[in-house]
Amino acid sequence: QSALTQPRSVSGSPGQSVTISCTGTSSDVGGYNYVSWYQQHPGKAPKLMIYDVSKRPSGVPDRFSGSKSGNTASLTISGLQAEDEADYYCCSYAGSYSWVFGGGTKLTVL
Amino acid sequence: QLQLQESGPGLVKPSETLSLTCTVSGGSISSSSYYWGWIRQPPGKGLEWIGSIYYSGSTYYNPSLKSRVTISVDTSKNQFSLKLSSVTAADTAVYYCARLVVVTVGNWFDPWGQGTLVTVSS
Repeated sequence: QSALTQPRSVSGSPGQSVTISCTGTSSDVGGYNYVSWYQQHPGKAPKLMIYDVSKRPSGVPDRFSGSKSGNTASLTISGLQAEDEADYYCCSYAGSYSWVFGGGTKLTVL
Repeated sequence: QLQLQESGPGLVKPSETLSLTCTVSGGSISSSSYYWGWIRQPPGKGLEWIGSIYYSGSTYYNPSLKSRVTISVDTSKNQFSLKLSSVTAADTAVYYCARLVVVTVGNWFDPWGQGTLVTVSS
């Protein structure tokens, strides 16, 4: 069970869009539509932003969207805002009631 | 509103056992569709799923930690607990508890506790 692969960092200017990728295998990301994304500000607990690949919990802005193709899931943030600057983690179900997280991506809003 | 709160020693000696408890408030730990999980984050690093438990006592562990981890539940206290044995400095991390929603159409961790830092040091 290896960690999912995410880019270490991404950046964008206010108003722009950024996409964060999350690559796994056919045993996790590719095998199930159970990818979730979490936002974590410094010193804070992770917050659920996307679940089941593309569903948004109540209260999460529609600027956040998720998708998946093969073994790679993606989180897209459109209309970047300063408060979006944070670390983002993907998570996938890996079968047999096990879960695996990505290494995390630091988003910088320029 | 469901809330989770971790508690336990912030300092553990090498080779000893780390013990943490998560207290659930605002909802029952015995609710169906919900599992309960532990996740950790070493300083400056990413998240790692440690394991999960159902209120019935069924447990599921990360294979890389399975030999050292025990998760238990106390429904009378609305709590679940983590024990990690034979700790080393590599186990120094912020430990989070979270509700794991498991339904036929999906699964996700929400909400999370605030986390508690456990340092392994003599």
